[in-house]
Amino acid sequence: AQSVSQHNHHVILSEAASLELGCNYSYGGTVNLFWYVQYPGQHLQLLLKYFSGDPLVKGIKGFEAEFIKSKFSFNLRKPSVQWSDTAEYFCAVVPSGNTPLVFGKGTRLSVIA
Amino acid sequence: SAVISQKPSRDICQRGTSLTIQCQVDSQVTMMFWYRQQPGQSLTLIATANQGSEATYESGFVIDKFPISRPNLTFSTLTVSNMSPEDSSIYLCSATGQGAEAFFGQGTRLTVV
Repeated sequence: AQSVSQHNHHVILSEAASLELGCNYSYGGTVNLFWYVQYPGQHLQLLLKYFSGDPLVKGIKGFEAEFIKSKFSFNLRKPSVQWSDTAEYFCAVVPSGNTPLVFGKGTRLSVIA
Repeated sequence: SAVISQKPSRDICQRGTSLTIQCQVDSQVTMMFWYRQQPGQSLTLIATANQGSEATYESGFVIDKFPISRPNLTFSTLTVSNMSPEDSSIYLCSATGQGAEAFFGQGTRLTVV
């Protein structure tokens, strides 16, 4: 079965610090990859997605992620975080378009002034 | 994209009772899913809601406890039956279209007392 590992449970950063959240998945075939964000009290929102093509994908709010197939990784990055980035971040993978997403356990990001 | 309306947004229920959660999508989607998100946890797939037929349940979830309906392409319900405090959680409806991206409702926060 597919699985997604997010190694950081809770990350605390100061404003303007750079962010990288790790995500590794286990599946040998072609996958679609996603990062979702859940702000406090709100529903899940899509940050970015990778289906094919350029392995460096850019999403909303200055986030980007790089797909490294050889490492089965899809790490999320942002050069300079803001207080408003405080949220829970979920990595997800789906091997085909008609199957449900498999989510990682999530990483809580706390940005302090 | 798809907009998902889920209701109720929250409820407090007595143990032993049942609650039905409704999910309405504003456009035709191929797949609909129900997830559970327990406090501080990631999303766990309950089942895939199949149009006009019985839902497909994940390990650990059964139809008697979580009956699901999907009478058409844009509407589904999840019932949490004979509730106990362990059922307290956020229940999320999700839908995917042709592009494999999953959209989420705002969730139903259920508290069982």
